[in-house]
Amino acid sequence: SQQGEEDPQALSIQEGENATMNCSYKTSINNLQWYRQNSGRGLVHLILIRSNEREKHSGRLRVTLDTSKKSSSLLITASRAADTASYFCATGRTSGSRLTFGEGTQLTVNP
Amino acid sequence: GAVVSQHPSRVICKSGTSVKIECRSLDFQATTMFWYRQFPKQSLMLMATSNEGSKATYEQGVEKDKFLINHASLTLSTLTVTSAHPEDSSFYICSASTSGGPSSYEQYFGPGTRLTVT
Repeated sequence: SQQGEEDPQALSIQEGENATMNCSYKTSINNLQWYRQNSGRGLVHLILIRSNEREKHSGRLRVTLDTSKKSSSLLITASRAADTASYFCATGRTSGSRLTFGEGTQLTVNP
Repeated sequence: GAVVSQHPSRVICKSGTSVKIECRSLDFQATTMFWYRQFPKQSLMLMATSNEGSKATYEQGVEKDKFLINHASLTLSTLTVTSAHPEDSSFYICSASTSGGPSSYEQYFGPGTRLTVT
């Protein structure tokens, strides 16, 4: 069953602005991952954060994890039109285990 | 590294026929492969988990006799949709993961296969 919920479901911003997407989950996790999916394509892994980590950066991406609130956020700074895609969070309970995906956020960056 | 391919990328078949989709890990050994299904504008739903050399574990509600999964080697898993019907039309995505080490948390996704059943 899907345990991840993301908000907003859709986000439209102007190029150069920051985009923040949130993800909540219900059970205990080992790690939380963010993926990107362009329309009609497979998923691209963006970043993984472990349950004992609170924040992680990768280029223009910043991910936070609050295990007490069972939530995570993905921040994309200085967005570009090429960032337009669907973004999914996914939680894993152990290494190599199944992932449970959130409902996704459709991000549109207008040039 | 960590490239996963799927073949075919698109397939159109007639109702009642069977379709096989291949998922290959090109540059690593995948001890576990996962098959997902995604309807338009929806999230990924896990269908089954397969480990090399053993039977796949299906999620609740997924018919194992309709969606046959074979994971014959550490680089290849196949999903066969048997007696396909229009409601089976969907985007099927596989992913692969390795066992052990820090990279085992990640799953590497294939580009997906668009199945249309007419």
